[in-house]
Amino acid sequence: GAVVSQHPSWVICKSGTSVKIECRSLDFQATTMFWYRQFPKQSLMLMATSNEGSKATYEQGVEKDKFLINHASLTLSTLTVTSAHPEDSSFYICSARIQGSFGYTFGSGTRLTVV
Amino acid sequence: AQSVTQLDSQVPVFEEAPVELRCNYSSSVSVYLFWYVQYPNQGLQLLLKYLSGSTLVKGINGFEAEFNKSQTSFHLRKPSVHISDTAEYFCAVSEGANAGGTSYGKLTFGQGTILTVHP
Repeated sequence: GAVVSQHPSWVICKSGTSVKIECRSLDFQATTMFWYRQFPKQSLMLMATSNEGSKATYEQGVEKDKFLINHASLTLSTLTVTSAHPEDSSFYICSARIQGSFGYTFGSGTRLTVV
Repeated sequence: AQSVTQLDSQVPVFEEAPVELRCNYSSSVSVYLFWYVQYPNQGLQLLLKYLSGSTLVKGINGFEAEFNKSQTSFHLRKPSVHISDTAEYFCAVSEGANAGGTSYGKLTFGQGTILTVHP
C-alpha cells in the first residue's frame, strides 16, 4: 500500500522549454507532497512542500516562478520546470507523507536532462 | 534547524561481513529518524524508522539501527551483507509530531553513504 507513481521516469528537453512531472498517489490520499532535487553524487534537497488546495511553500533559494507546483487534488501533484536550462538537469523525486503512520513514500524519480 | 551527518561517504565491504553505516543528527526538538536505501535511478525505499519506544529498531532485509539520544546517533547495522545490498543509503530526520515546531513533516537528509559489497 501507499504507492506514489511518478512520471516520466526520464525526460530530455531543449533549453528554454518547459517540462511537467507528475506524482500520483495510487491507493491513498496525499494531502501533503514534498518535492526534492538530487544532483549527481549528492543528497536530496527539499525544494518545496505542497498541500492540496493551497499554494506550495518553497525552500529558501528555490525560484517559485521557475518551479511551478500544483496540488489540485488529493491524488495528484505536479512540478513544472519552466524555461529549463542545462543547470536544471537533475533527478527530481516526490514524496508523500502517509497520514497516521509518520512515514513517507517516495516516487521512483524523474531524470531530467536539458540540452 | 535540524541537520544530519553521515560520517562515511563510501563503505566497501566483503560479502557476508558485518557493516555499520554511521549517522549523527542535530536538532533542538524531538525527532523521528529514518534510514532509506536508493538503487541507481530509483526513488527511496524505507529500511526502518525510529519514532519512539525501544531504541533498537529492526527493519527490512536484515538491517537494524540503534537510537542513541545522548550521542545523537542512529547508526545502521547488518550482521552479514549480500551483494544485493550494494546501494546508496540515506539517513534522515524529521521533527517529531509533538515537538511544537514549524518543520513537522519535512525530512532532512544526510549526504548519503555508498555501500559496495564485494564478492
